[in-house]
Amino acid sequence: KAGVTQTPRYLIKTRGQQVTLSCSPISGHRSVSWYQQTPGQGLQFLFEYFSETQRNKGNFPGRFSGRQFSNSRSEMNVSTLELGDSALYLCASSSPGPTSDTQYFGPGTRLTVL
Amino acid sequence: GENVEQHPSTLSVQEGDSAVIKCTYSDSASNYFPWYKQELGKGPQLIIDIRSNVGEKKDQRIAVTLNKTAKHFSLHITETQPEDSAVYFCAASSAHYGGSQGNLIFGKGTKLSVKP
Repeated sequence: KAGVTQTPRYLIKTRGQQVTLSCSPISGHRSVSWYQQTPGQGLQFLFEYFSETQRNKGNFPGRFSGRQFSNSRSEMNVSTLELGDSALYLCASSSPGPTSDTQYFGPGTRLTVL
Repeated sequence: GENVEQHPSTLSVQEGDSAVIKCTYSDSASNYFPWYKQELGKGPQLIIDIRSNVGEKKDQRIAVTLNKTAKHFSLHITETQPEDSAVYFCAASSAHYGGSQGNLIFGKGTKLSVKP
C-alpha cells in the first residue's frame, strides 16, 4: 500500500503571498490531519478533516485553512504568509475503526517564507 | 489542555547498549500514546504505540511501558544499532472510537545518537 503523499515537497514564497499544500492519504483512510513542525515549537496540530468536514482544530490563526475532497485528499491553505510560517507541514492519515487514533505521516512539505 | 514533557533532549549511547526515553503527560483523559522516529528530511514514522488499557507492549528490540497513575510512559530500545540514530517523539491523545482521531500532542523530541 502506498503511504501518505504530499506535494510539493519544497516551496519558497515571499511574505504576503498565499500557498496551497496537498495531501493524499493512504488508500482507504478517511481522516486527514495537518501538523506544523518548527525547531522552536515542535510539532503542533493544525486541524483534522473527516468526510469532507473539519472535525477538530488547533490553535492557529484563521489564515490557516483546509478542506477535504470526496476522495479523502486534503489541501491546506495559508494566506498572507509571514516569516514565522516557515516550517515543515506534515499531513497524517488514519482509517476508521478501533485503531482510528493511529496516524501515519507523510514526508511533509518544507515551506520557506522570505 | 494536554501537555507532554519528554526527556532527555539528547541521548548518546554505544552500539549494543540500551536507550530509554521518558515522557510525562498532564491530561488524565489521554488514552493513546504513540512513539515516532523521524530521520533527517523525512516525516515521523510510527514505531510503536500503546493504549491506556495496556501496561506494556513489545516489538522486537523496542518496548513501551505506561504508568497511568503516574502519567508517564517510556520507550526502551535494546541492542541499539547505528541505524537507530534519529529524533524520537512521544505523543498523547484522547481519541474516541468512532469519533475524532484526536489531535496528537507531541513531546519536544529526543535526538538519539548511536556510536559504532
